[in-house]
Amino acid sequence: SQQGEEDPQALSIQEGENATMNCSYKTSINNLQWYRQNSGRGLVHLILIRSNEREKHSGRLRVTLDTSKKSSSLLITASRAADTASYFCATVPAGGTSYGKLTFGQGTILTVHP
Amino acid sequence: DGGITQSPKYLFRKEGQNVTLSCEQNLNHDAMYWYRQDPGQGLRLIYYSQIVNDFQKGDIAEGYSVSREKKESFPLTVTSAQKNPTAFYLCATRRDGGVSEASYEQYFGPGTRLTVT
Repeated sequence: SQQGEEDPQALSIQEGENATMNCSYKTSINNLQWYRQNSGRGLVHLILIRSNEREKHSGRLRVTLDTSKKSSSLLITASRAADTASYFCATVPAGGTSYGKLTFGQGTILTVHP
Repeated sequence: DGGITQSPKYLFRKEGQNVTLSCEQNLNHDAMYWYRQDPGQGLRLIYYSQIVNDFQKGDIAEGYSVSREKKESFPLTVTSAQKNPTAFYLCATRRDGGVSEASYEQYFGPGTRLTVT
């Protein structure tokens, strides 16, 4: 089942602009992760934010988490053409024996024009 | 895509035939996962394995089977019972069952695109 919904489904910007993608989820989580997928390739892990964290940074990436609204956002600053890819949020459920199972959103397709 | 190999990259089969997708890892990771991705969609979990000789069904296991006889290998068989097998299949690994951030990260192979006609 797909827990996450991402918004927007597609985003087109110019190089140098910031890109913001949003993710909503339905159940309580242990953590939320963002992954990147270049066309026709596997996914690459970008960043993880735990349920007790509100904001996290990694290079040009900034992730926020609002557990009261069950939502997260990924901000990519100063976008480059090489950032063109699909971006997915994925959640690990809270408690139990989830074995770290990830539930993915449907993704945001980001296109950065040179 | 690191130390995860999926072969072949493209696979074509006739309807009614079983087909096995290969996934091999040299990361010494404990857990392995199979996901299916349809166009414009996110990933859906088919099967996962935490340790050798043990595996569990994911959200869409019907029509699929797996084995985990070796730590390095987690092959997926798409059987003729799978109604709509044409998709992009991704294998992933996870280091261990710990609770550190590094333990939760999954590493993905390059994928196999299966077309059944």
